[in-house]
Amino acid sequence: GDSVTQMEGPVTLSEEAFLTINCTYTATGYPSLFWYVQYPGEGLQLLLKATKADDKGSNKGFEATYRKETTSFHLEKGSVQVSDSAVYFCALFYGGATNKLIFGTGTLLAVQP
Amino acid sequence: NAGVTQTPKFRILKIGQSMTLQCTQDMNHNYMYWYRQDPGMGLKLIYYSVGAGITDKGEVPNGYNVSRSTTEDFPLRLELAAPSQTSVYFCASSFRPDRELNQPQHFGDGTRLSIL
Repeated sequence: GDSVTQMEGPVTLSEEAFLTINCTYTATGYPSLFWYVQYPGEGLQLLLKATKADDKGSNKGFEATYRKETTSFHLEKGSVQVSDSAVYFCALFYGGATNKLIFGTGTLLAVQP
Repeated sequence: NAGVTQTPKFRILKIGQSMTLQCTQDMNHNYMYWYRQDPGMGLKLIYYSVGAGITDKGEVPNGYNVSRSTTEDFPLRLELAAPSQTSVYFCASSFRPDRELNQPQHFGDGTRLSIL
């Protein structure tokens, strides 16, 4: 079945460090891929998305590229801030009749000043 | 914009008690969802609804019931609370999913439920 695998957390970085959070997926079709972010005490917010192979999603300095050849959608940011501390979820989405999001287990990012 | 509103934010229940988690959205979304989030497990879909009067099971529906009498509201009911239902519950909503438009799901802030 379809699934999403994320790197184990927590990820602890110093401010201005480079961030990579790995995400790989298994899919029978051609899903869209999303990154959601969950700040402490809040619900999930859509961070960025990519709808087809080689698409790059970007938002708030974060980027992720839909790589069909490696079935990956790694999240990157060049210089993290304390305010980026949150849990990050990778998810795949088919839409249409399936209409369901399949989430990874989430990766906690802690950025220290 | 209120978005997706969940109540209560926190609740402690005794084993065997019942309760209803409320969810309402003001975005005129057709689709609504209930997830539970357990530590290290990501989010699992409990139930979803594609419109008023229509509901369907997700991955983990046992022990829960839902109804959708209006477009705005999608309450989740626990009839006989069990310790295994201790979790954080999230409600979400979206327009009709369409791969070309990729309507994202909008989430509420969650309800933290403990069963003791």
